[in-house]
Amino acid sequence: RKEVEQDPGPFNVPEGATVAFNCTYSNSASQSFFWYRQDCRKEPKLLMSVYSSGNEDGRFTAQLNRASQYISLLIRDSKLSDSATYLCVVNSRPTTDSWGKLQFGAGTQVVVTP
Amino acid sequence: DTEVTQTPKHLVMGMTNKKSLKCEQHMGHRAMYWYKQKAKKPPELMFVYSYEKLSINESVPSRFSPECPNSSLLNLHLHALQPEDSALYLCASSPRDPYEQYFGPGTRLTVT
Repeated sequence: RKEVEQDPGPFNVPEGATVAFNCTYSNSASQSFFWYRQDCRKEPKLLMSVYSSGNEDGRFTAQLNRASQYISLLIRDSKLSDSATYLCVVNSRPTTDSWGKLQFGAGTQVVVTP
Repeated sequence: DTEVTQTPKHLVMGMTNKKSLKCEQHMGHRAMYWYKQKAKKPPELMFVYSYEKLSINESVPSRFSPECPNSSLLNLHLHALQPEDSALYLCASSPRDPYEQYFGPGTRLTVT
């Protein structure tokens, strides 16, 4: 089983609509969670960190559900420029002597159409 | 300023060549990383430097040799690569390992 799993999509979204997708993680000791976006043939860019209380940045809202071990990303009022692959990234801290490392999901593709 | 720079942007090399990729950040970050990314796959961690010391080597073949000359610079020395090593090589930095990472634009490597 992969440590971080995402629906690969694509999610085809009309411009102006709302889209949401999840990411599940297998290690209950995971401590830090992030969403990155990656455009075709470009580097991943940090979109937002995900906090326990949930957080919002403009049209983007991230939620964390520790009980069910998933994080979600919701995009409101989708723009054409939101078309990208969204990578879910999770840090696990396996022992007190190790800070762990980031685990990347395979990404969810979002395509916003006019 | 969250900028990580990488040179060169593109590199074509033969299997007998020796080349180096360079990465630089001036954000005072103490952790730096090399990743390899193939098309339609997530980045795959290769090496982690924390406070200029190699802390993680993900069983990368010895034809890839990392070097961290100082806290701002990270190099990846390449020698006797194989065509399957063709990929996008990404450098990233982080205030400390393993928190949020900031990626450079990458070097697109083709091995012929």
